[in-house]
Amino acid sequence: DSGVTQTPKHLITATGQRVTLRCSPRSGDLSVYWYQQSLDQGLQFLIQYYNGEERAKGNILERFSAQQFPDLHSELNLSSLELGDSALYFCASSTGTGRNEQYFGPGTRLTVT
Amino acid sequence: GEDVEQSLFLSVREGDSSVINCTYTDSSSTYLYWYKQEPGAGLQLLTYIFSNMDMKQDQRLTVLLNKKDKHLSLRIADTQTGDSAIYFCAEISRGSYIPTFGRGTSLIVHP
Repeated sequence: DSGVTQTPKHLITATGQRVTLRCSPRSGDLSVYWYQQSLDQGLQFLIQYYNGEERAKGNILERFSAQQFPDLHSELNLSSLELGDSALYFCASSTGTGRNEQYFGPGTRLTVT
Repeated sequence: GEDVEQSLFLSVREGDSSVINCTYTDSSSTYLYWYKQEPGAGLQLLTYIFSNMDMKQDQRLTVLLNKKDKHLSLRIADTQTGDSAIYFCAEISRGSYIPTFGRGTSLIVHP
């Protein structure tokens, strides 16, 4: 158990809909990362937050947004969903400094039908 | 951008050693990591090595780093069926907070 929690575990929704994925980092970690994992694209970095502020942005679509709250939990919002958004979405947390090794949550499997 | 390359598959017999290889392009890498992903689960940090080290051993795992050739390897001694998983190599550059991950190597262990 990495100490990172994600909800929900599975999500099935229709094209055009909007969903929110939630993540709680390990106790003491200030940084949260979001990744998308699909068979054809591998593990893609989406966005990073550190202590409530956006720190780095990767291949995140404009239809996607995220935020980190004062209690350090984070949410990833996916809107106008397309079939191609079906993937595993992982949250990871780290201290944000030094070795900065990441601890991954169990993921949310999103299926868009 | 920086790149991390791994072979996609490795098949070994139970009890043998497995060696998973990784090459990277970033000459300013500071830390390099190995992660393991079992089916239906998230990535689990196995071990890491600082760029000024050549080798790190942790029980059945041995990490070798050739900084000149930008080559990283993970050796698993006495490989067991429970080691079957996808193994990801990742590196992080000086001044960056975002690791670059390889595509992962799928390790298949036969009885």
